[in-house]
Amino acid sequence: GAVVSQHPSWVICKSGTSVKIECRSLDFQATTMFWYRQFPKQSLMLMATSNEGSKATYEQGVEKDKFLINHASLTLSTLTVTSAHPEDSSFYICSAFDRYTDTQYFGPGTRLTVL
Amino acid sequence: AQSVTQLDSQVPVFEEAPVELRCNYSSSVSVYLFWYVQYPNQGLQLLLKYLSGSTLVKGINGFEAEFNKSQTSFHLRKPSVHISDTAEYFCAVTGAGSYQLTFGKGTKLSVIP
Repeated sequence: GAVVSQHPSWVICKSGTSVKIECRSLDFQATTMFWYRQFPKQSLMLMATSNEGSKATYEQGVEKDKFLINHASLTLSTLTVTSAHPEDSSFYICSAFDRYTDTQYFGPGTRLTVL
Repeated sequence: AQSVTQLDSQVPVFEEAPVELRCNYSSSVSVYLFWYVQYPNQGLQLLLKYLSGSTLVKGINGFEAEFNKSQTSFHLRKPSVHISDTAEYFCAVTGAGSYQLTFGKGTKLSVIP
């Protein structure tokens, strides 16, 4: 099956620093990737849709200047949490859309802890 | 727009017993339906999906689901669960031809030895 990787799997940072999370589709090309946030014991909340070669589309209430998304190639999208604060601590999950199977495949997630 | 309702937030079941996790959806257009499983501190793994064709869909780990258009349901079933099936299960829907998923709130399946 299609594989999506995320790096790092967990990160701890100080308040005010920036953190970059990578999402890669390993065995297929993905013109569209998605970034989700998941709070404890809750479902996934879509943050933004990342399109290769163009600007990301952010969901209502998500600050685009705080959560920078870059989708520079057909296999890589990055999410940068800028000037992170403790309230940004969460589990971030990416997915990549395989247009040949009409299916989103998910990465293993990144646990961000901001101290 | 689509919406998904997972009627049970938690389902405890004894090992080797059958289980059904319920999912209902609403949509004004044709839909694609998915079930994903999430183990603790991990991402989501695709269990099965319905895009078209046979309404009975078989997935990994012995799970299956049936698409019922008249009842707008896509319930997930397994005839005999294992301890390793303990996880969170998410039902998701997208409009046919679209790619943005709408998730249910999840059902936590706990298998009791």
